[in-house]
Amino acid sequence: EPEVTQTPSHQVTQMGQEVILRCVPISNHLYFYWYRQILGQKVEFLVSFYNNEISEKSEIFDDQFSVERPDGSNFTLKIRSTKLEDSAMYFCASREDNQPQHFGDGTRLSIL
Amino acid sequence: AQSVTQLGSHVSVSEGALVLLRCNYSSSVPPYLFWYVQYPNQGLQLLLKYTTGATLVKGINGFEAEFKKSETSFHLTKPSAHMSDAAEYFCAVSPPNFGNEKLTFGTGTRLTIIP
Repeated sequence: EPEVTQTPSHQVTQMGQEVILRCVPISNHLYFYWYRQILGQKVEFLVSFYNNEISEKSEIFDDQFSVERPDGSNFTLKIRSTKLEDSAMYFCASREDNQPQHFGDGTRLSIL
Repeated sequence: AQSVTQLGSHVSVSEGALVLLRCNYSSSVPPYLFWYVQYPNQGLQLLLKYTTGATLVKGINGFEAEFKKSETSFHLTKPSAHMSDAAEYFCAVSPPNFGNEKLTFGTGTRLTIIP
């Protein structure tokens, strides 16, 4: 069965550094999402993306965050200047029309 | 705005016993409802969903859930727990269409199975 693939599985970064989290959505999917889960807390929506533009973003998704679909297969989340509180598990999700979201296994981001 | 409440952050049941994980939602219109499961070090896997039609929905691994509009609930059940069911379970809602809308998750329930 097709899967959403996320790399790396674990990213360790110094505070203030830029980080890019990568996702390969399922190939025929049109809608893309990023969520995050701080340790011990609920999964929170960050941003949705469709037709090469952001559809919706949460309050968490401030100017330090950006998303991009640089080619036909990848969907990336960039955090420009990381903060300690950005430490979390980041999940990518995708879906096709009229179907539920499928999630990747996540990238654990640790900010030192 | 939509919200989800999962009662009980931890639930323990004996192997072979009934599993009941509770989910209540708040929404101005009946939403779409989902249960996802997260095994250790893995992503979120869809167990089942309710969109329209029959209010009792069956999912994978023997789980089912019933949408009760009058109670604004979508509780997850399984008649007989198996050791492999140990995981974290998340209830989620979205507006009642498959547009660009986000999922809103509950805080999760960690299910432990006692041998």
